[in-house]
Amino acid sequence: AQSVSQHNHHVILSEAASLELGCNYSYGGTVNLFWYVQYPGQHLQLLLKYFSGDPLVKGIKGFEAEFIKSKFSFNLRKPSVQWSDTAEYFCAVNAQGFQKLVFGTGTRLLVSP
Amino acid sequence: NAGVTQTPKFQVLKTGQSMTLQCAQDMNHEYMSWYRQDPGMGLRLIHYSVGAGITDQGEVPNGYNVSRSTTEDFPLRLLSAAPSQTSVYFCASSPPSGGKREQYFGPGTRLTVT
Repeated sequence: AQSVSQHNHHVILSEAASLELGCNYSYGGTVNLFWYVQYPGQHLQLLLKYFSGDPLVKGIKGFEAEFIKSKFSFNLRKPSVQWSDTAEYFCAVNAQGFQKLVFGTGTRLLVSP
Repeated sequence: NAGVTQTPKFQVLKTGQSMTLQCAQDMNHEYMSWYRQDPGMGLRLIHYSVGAGITDQGEVPNGYNVSRSTTEDFPLRLLSAAPSQTSVYFCASSPPSGGKREQYFGPGTRLTVT
């Protein structure tokens, strides 16, 4: 069975700081990888996704993530965060060919102005 | 399109009561699922369905029932509510895609069991 680990539970940054959130998954086969974001009081929205091809994927709002197969990782990055990036971020994975999604425990990001 | 809708938005139950959380989508998605979100635990899959008439258990199915009589609706039933079921419940749907399409989430139902 798949599992997903997000090591940072809470992150506090100042505006303009760079962001990197870690995500590692456990699964022996080929996977699809996702980052979702949940802004305060809102439902989850997709930030970006990776299925195959270029391991560096770009998403909305300046976010990007890099898939490193050898490390089973899919870390999320943003060069310069804004106050509006305050949210909870979830990494998720499913096995290719299956839609059942497994989520990590989430990282709460607080960006101070 | 309304997307994924959930009702009610908030609910308070007493221990032992039963209720149904409603979920509907108007995007003709075959795959639908229910998650619960608890602090520090992320989202955990309760039940899912790959099409009308087909349902299966997720990670935390105990205490919950589902059925899928139509493509549009996927209600979640709590048979006898317990305080451990206090949580925020999200319904999601996605088109058939081998897992490559995003899931679309509803706004959630915040349930408190006293």
